[in-house]
Amino acid sequence: EVQLVESGGGLVQPGGSLRLSCAASGFTFSRYSMNWVRQAPGKGLEWVSSIGPSSSRLYYADSVKGRFTISRDNGKNSLYLQMNSLRAGDTALYYCARDLGIDTYWDWYFDLWGRGTLVTVSS
Amino acid sequence: EIVLTQSPATLSLSPGERANLSCRASQSVSSYLAWYQQKPGQAPRLLIYDASNRATGIPVRFSGSGSGTDFTLTISSLEPEDFAVYYCQQRNNWPPITFGQGTRLEIK
Repeated sequence: EVQLVESGGGLVQPGGSLRLSCAASGFTFSRYSMNWVRQAPGKGLEWVSSIGPSSSRLYYADSVKGRFTISRDNGKNSLYLQMNSLRAGDTALYYCARDLGIDTYWDWYFDLWGRGTLVTVSS
Repeated sequence: EIVLTQSPATLSLSPGERANLSCRASQSVSSYLAWYQQKPGQAPRLLIYDASNRATGIPVRFSGSGSGTDFTLTISSLEPEDFAVYYCQQRNNWPPITFGQGTRLEIK
């Protein structure tokens, strides 16, 4: 079955750190760009970060630049998001999402999503 | 950053009716616009990309149109399962890619 499964969310204090993971299965993970998109409770969607198939290209939203780091391990079919210096405004459901394009073609549309993992930043 | 404004915020219609959802961009995004559907407790689902291309498995009652700054998602005849929140997303000037704030389609 083609799927993405996120994990690693939880409750963390302001200023703390968390590492999210996304396990991919059912498709050739190494051929796709991957993304993190978040959704604050009751709010809309916000793009967070993207990584190319070979990790050579990384992109971040201004709101997380310098605090979050995206990475991937193609051997383990896994995507990661290291989140440091967390703030209350980072509280959200974090989705892992696959790019529609394959190999070197980057579509910037998201055709496969996980169910999300909830990050709550609160003291 | 390109801002996408969706209207109306809430649309109340009955099954069988036609729905037109609007998305307006603060500057031209050419045809680089997508539509997603999100039901409560679920992840978003890609419906339309590049303004008018249906994603794999999407029913033909969903169609997209527009270019430049004005776009429309049309659902020709609403089914009970179509009542959800719909988001538009642009990828013309990336990064960042941006989403609209959403339109809630509710049963009248």
